[in-house]
Amino acid sequence: SAVISQKPSRDICQRGTSLTIQCQVDSQVTMMFWYRQQPGQSLTLIATANQGSEATYESGFVIDKFPISRPNLTFSTLTVSNMSPEDSSIYLCSVEGVGRSQETQYFGPGTRLLVL
Amino acid sequence: AQKVTQAQTEISVVEKEDVTLDCVYETRDTTYYLFWYKQPPSGELVFLIRRNSFDEQNEISGRYSWNFQKSTSSFNFTITASQVVDSAVYFCALSFLTQGGSEKLVFGKGTKLTVNP
Repeated sequence: SAVISQKPSRDICQRGTSLTIQCQVDSQVTMMFWYRQQPGQSLTLIATANQGSEATYESGFVIDKFPISRPNLTFSTLTVSNMSPEDSSIYLCSVEGVGRSQETQYFGPGTRLLVL
Repeated sequence: AQKVTQAQTEISVVEKEDVTLDCVYETRDTTYYLFWYKQPPSGELVFLIRRNSFDEQNEISGRYSWNFQKSTSSFNFTITASQVVDSAVYFCALSFLTQGGSEKLVFGKGTKLTVNP
């Protein structure tokens, strides 16, 4: 499985500001995914990011609020814009495995965000 | 529609007890994958197992075992002789291809397991 790191691991932010979360993978992957996990809840897919194309957003998520970059095959960023307390969540990136693990998604350690 | 139901919100057991976590899924696809992930208090999501829709063999890995039954659309997870370190939230998930050809993972709401010493 791929080794995935995220920065920052956690942050406390003020309402109205923006935070960019980085996701780095130790191998080249075609697709990267961004999820949100609100407190005590399950994971919800925000968007799928393919290198070289615009991210595909799920219903209820928009690019203005969650802009995503995917400059190469090992890196992606998710920005949470104009934050409100409702954005307090764990944000996780994931990638598909390779070879026999291709259908499996592996997750980064997550970024815990608290918005005051 | 694709859906995963984990009816057990929280389970509490005493160490060394066996515990089964239930997962029921809904899909109209004939090809799909089922997963279990573990989320300890630290927050990371740890992959435990993947099972494809054509493989109904049960699987055992140490103290963990999984029972996949297509007839009941269930993919249950049993921990034998539970340990305190097993305390975590466990998520069952279903993977399928969308009409657009992209893969999507749908999660259940999770079951919080507490193993008391």
